[in-house]
Amino acid sequence: GENVEQHPSTLSVQEGDSAVIKCTYSDSASNYFPWYKQELGKRPQLIIDIRSNVGEKKDQRIAVTLNKTAKHFSLHITETQPEDSAVYFCAARRTGGSQGNLIFGKGTKLSVKP
Amino acid sequence: NAGVTQTPKFRILKIGQSMTLQCAQDMNHNYMYWYRQDPGMGLKLIYYSVGAGITDKGEVPNGYNVSRSTTEDFPLRLELAAPSQTSVYFCASSDTRSAGYTFGSGTRLTVV
Repeated sequence: GENVEQHPSTLSVQEGDSAVIKCTYSDSASNYFPWYKQELGKRPQLIIDIRSNVGEKKDQRIAVTLNKTAKHFSLHITETQPEDSAVYFCAARRTGGSQGNLIFGKGTKLSVKP
Repeated sequence: NAGVTQTPKFRILKIGQSMTLQCAQDMNHNYMYWYRQDPGMGLKLIYYSVGAGITDKGEVPNGYNVSRSTTEDFPLRLELAAPSQTSVYFCASSDTRSAGYTFGSGTRLTVV
């Protein structure tokens, strides 16, 4: 089955700096890779996702890159702000004919210091 | 649309008691899931359902049961609560077109 590893487990940056979180996956058939943001005491919220036919996707200050050959994908947050402080989860799944469930990484606690 | 609604938000149980965590979605999603989230850990799948009348085990099903009599509802049952079941429980749903999940607001359960 799929296994998703996420690094680092904690990340502290100064406001305005960039943050990068990396994930690797094991199932080469996985083709959908979302990122979730979870603020303290709240539910996980989807912030960006990428499918395996795309190498990079951007949405304002956040971007996700995917390297299918190496089986890893990364979340990039630029110009970080205090409100970016949260736990971020990556996930992977197979969609389509042999659909699988989302498998989550263990999360990265991002702290943005003003 | 209310999305995914979970009740209750908080609950304290004594060891050996039973309870049902409720989950309902109004998006006509076929797929529904129950996850538990322990401190410092990711989300672990307990049970899932691909449609009414169909359920299957996830990574950590022991001590739990589910049913899916309708498309909208997917309750999670704890029969004999144990301290190891102290956790935050999230219900989620998706359909065949949207690969991402919509999560409920969670139930924080403490077993003492």
